Amino acid sequence: AQSVTQPDIHITVSEGASLELRCNYSYGATPYLFWYVQSPGQGLQLLLKYFSGDTLVQGIKGFEAEFKRSQSSFNLRKPSVHWSDAAEYFCAVDDNSGGGADGLTFGKGTHLIIQP
Amino acid sequence: AAGVIQSPRHLIKEKRETATLKCYPISRHDTVYWYQQGPGQDPQFLISFYEKMQSDKGSIPDRFSAQQFSDYHSELNMSSLELGDSALYFCASSYQAGSKDEQYFGPGTRLTVT
Repeated sequence: AQSVTQPDIHITVSEGASLELRCNYSYGATPYLFWYVQSPGQGLQLLLKYFSGDTLVQGIKGFEAEFKRSQSSFNLRKPSVHWSDAAEYFCAVDDNSGGGADGLTFGKGTHLIIQP
Repeated sequence: AAGVIQSPRHLIKEKRETATLKCYPISRHDTVYWYQQGPGQDPQFLISFYEKMQSDKGSIPDRFSAQQFSDYHSELNMSSLELGDSALYFCASSYQAGSKDEQYFGPGTRLTVT
């Protein structure tokens, strides 16, 4: 079964500093990969996705992620964080096995704290 | 464009009662997914529907059932509620003929079982 690991439960970053959130997946083939952000009590907003092609993908809010097949990783990055980026970040995987309407498997999430 | 709509946004039920959660997908979206997120947990996939047929099944308890209707809205029916069912329930939708795996999430229904 596929699995997603986000090794960092909490990360604290100073405002204006760079950010990298780690995500590793376990799956035989290349799955579809996603990053979602969730503010307290809110729904999940899609930041970016990787299906195929260019391994560096750009998302909304200045985020980007790089797919590295050799490391089974899909790390999320942002060059300069803003206080409004404080939230819970989830990496998710779709194993693309069912031909459609597959449920996503989420990591446990990383809680991002921004220091002034 | 309007996003995924879920109703109600908050629901309080007692143990052993039943609850029905509703989801209205984004216009033109033909696929609906249900997820359960316990306190401090990651979302867990429950079930999905494409063109009114069940498509994928996750960790949905036997006490729960769901369906998708002709207008593509979906309902999640939960019976014999237990305290452990207290969670945030998300609905997501996607368009299979488009970027089918891009799921758009609703704001969620917070269910509290007392």
